[in-house]
Amino acid sequence: GQSLEQPSEVTAVEGAIVQINCTYQTSGFYGLSWYQQHDGGAPTFLSYNGLDGLEETGRFSSFLSRSDSYGYLLLQELQMKDSASYFCAVRVLNTNAGKSTFGDGTTLTVKP
Amino acid sequence: GAGVSQSPSNKVTEKGKDVELRCDPISGHTALYWYRQSLGQGLEFLIYFQGNSAPDKSGLPSDRFSAERTGGSVSTLTIQRTQQEDSAVYLCASSSGVRTQTYEQYFGPGTRLTVT
Repeated sequence: GQSLEQPSEVTAVEGAIVQINCTYQTSGFYGLSWYQQHDGGAPTFLSYNGLDGLEETGRFSSFLSRSDSYGYLLLQELQMKDSASYFCAVRVLNTNAGKSTFGDGTTLTVKP
Repeated sequence: GAGVSQSPSNKVTEKGKDVELRCDPISGHTALYWYRQSLGQGLEFLIYFQGNSAPDKSGLPSDRFSAERTGGSVSTLTIQRTQQEDSAVYLCASSSGVRTQTYEQYFGPGTRLTVT
């Protein structure tokens, strides 16, 4: 089976930088995704790492180390609107679709 | 439509009744996923479809749950003899199925199911 661990809550102030870690145990690992979900909303895709290293998309970056079974999401220049839940998800099948197993999510609270 | 749509948005049903939840994926997306999310929890994988076939049904909680997809488009998740523990938000997502783009799943707004 698969298991993912991420912190349940993180708090930071506006303008700061925050890192949300994700460690995973899985067989057939293929890639790590990150999703954002605001209260009452649907999850939205943020980033994907299929290879080791850093992927940058604007204020958000994501990192993967396959040898350490570890990844993180880095949010810079935090804004109040970044308050949301963040989920890491492991893609485990090398097919055109595959299946993603999601972590339990990290609730980020951004304070003024 | 431009995005994934789900209906109904809310469903209240009595324990023991059957319910059907519908998902319309983004046009042309070959992969479709169903998840369940309880309040404050993560996403629990239920089933996914590639075209009309379901390679992985491992997440269905019991034989009261079933899903089908027809014409490679609309999918229906059916829960028979609902129980109170079935209360949750049921999310549907789709992805294009093209190798470079399959990693991104587009989610619908969900159906909030309440079993009384």
